[in-house]
Amino acid sequence: QQQVKQSPQSLIVQKGGISIINCAYENTAFDYFPWYQQFPGKGPALLIAIRPDVSEKKEGRFTISFNKSAKQFSLHIMDSQPGDSATYFCAASPGYSSASKIIFGSGTRLSIRP
Amino acid sequence: DGGITQSPKYLFRKEGQNVTLSCEQNLNHDAMYWYRQDPGQGLRLIYYSQIVNDFQKGDIAEGYSVSREKKESFPLTVTSAQKNPTAFYLCASSKGGGLQPQHFGDGTRLSIL
Repeated sequence: QQQVKQSPQSLIVQKGGISIINCAYENTAFDYFPWYQQFPGKGPALLIAIRPDVSEKKEGRFTISFNKSAKQFSLHIMDSQPGDSATYFCAASPGYSSASKIIFGSGTRLSIRP
Repeated sequence: DGGITQSPKYLFRKEGQNVTLSCEQNLNHDAMYWYRQDPGQGLRLIYYSQIVNDFQKGDIAEGYSVSREKKESFPLTVTSAQKNPTAFYLCASSKGGGLQPQHFGDGTRLSIL
């Protein structure tokens, strides 16, 4: 119930292509879904986040698509660039809780080939 | 610049030794967290604190201890009871509340000698 399942584990995309990472959850109490980007030797940094009251959120080349009925959400990176090569984590949180615990997916290592 | 500082960047532990990882933040955040990161397993919560002088166990607290005597500081001690301590340890903070993003430090990599 508390898990967030992320796929694929690794992904290779050509420069200029679309990178897609998928996540699924079970706990219907989750209502905050952030994505984090992590470069080697660094801590994760918030990339983009969505609440379930919208089906899509776009920030620049990054888009989250959210399907509440299927309990799935995905990150799309348009026009992928070598600088996007990093590990991406989806996450979920029961936002109403003051504990603000976040459950992270297992991560996707993305490599963009020039 | 505001941020989270973790030290040291690399740490080595001998058998039977306790080691302490430092985490300091100047973001004026109420909540602080410690995570452990192992390859292919994402981030797992060790301990978290929502306010000074109070903290709660996360999912993998066994073999670890923390203190929160100051708002800015949340040190993590890896005790000799933690039999598999080799990992990348990440500290984070947030304003508190479930909708606030967490801000991470750059981690400490702990290895066994």
